Amino acid sequence: GAVVSQHPSWVICKSGTSVKIECRSLDFQATTMFWYRQFPKQSLMLMATSNEGSKATYEQGVEKDKFLINHASLTLSTLTVTSAHPEDSSFYICSAREGSSTDTQYFGPGTRLTVL
Amino acid sequence: LAKTTQPISMDSYEGQEVNITCSHNNIATNDYITWYQQFPSQGPRFIIQGYKTKVTNEVASLFIPADRKSSTLSLPRVSLSDTAVYYCLVSYTGNQFYFGTGTSLTVIP
Repeated sequence: GAVVSQHPSWVICKSGTSVKIECRSLDFQATTMFWYRQFPKQSLMLMATSNEGSKATYEQGVEKDKFLINHASLTLSTLTVTSAHPEDSSFYICSAREGSSTDTQYFGPGTRLTVL
Repeated sequence: LAKTTQPISMDSYEGQEVNITCSHNNIATNDYITWYQQFPSQGPRFIIQGYKTKVTNEVASLFIPADRKSSTLSLPRVSLSDTAVYYCLVSYTGNQFYFGTGTSLTVIP
């Protein structure tokens, strides 16, 4: 149980285009989903937290107009990188949590974004 | 936001027990401790979670002393496939998480 999927697993796009990444909890309902980014050989950095039906909460320094997050249902959250630039190239990982804040986060497999 | 501190790297021979300690001095009363394993270009995989004393599952044990200011992940008889980065995460009442540097474990044949 507790499986989280992400799609696509990798994407290459041109500078200036927008890219959407989907995160799904496959066998549980996720009241909260999280988005992280990870640069090579570095730790995960939390970008934003989203609760179903509510606006996402962004961490300091993360541009909410650039990284659009939608959590439309209890099993799906999307991250859209708008007007992507090469510096946005990174490994994006989502996680999902079922209930309370002490419940375990389960992570997706990640999406490798490369912006040319 | 309490931070976690772990050793940056560790080496171990196959078949040995590995203990990785995480410091979390500012842990709060309701916080839980969770350990994850991450392979390159993959999302972190849940290993074990605990609140106090000792927790054991099929793959690991987690030891938490009474003051809860640290925790130790114990991996019995590691194999080459256990080479990965291990993160301890303190779960806050709320949505604040801090992933430290993690510990890069290399298992040597």
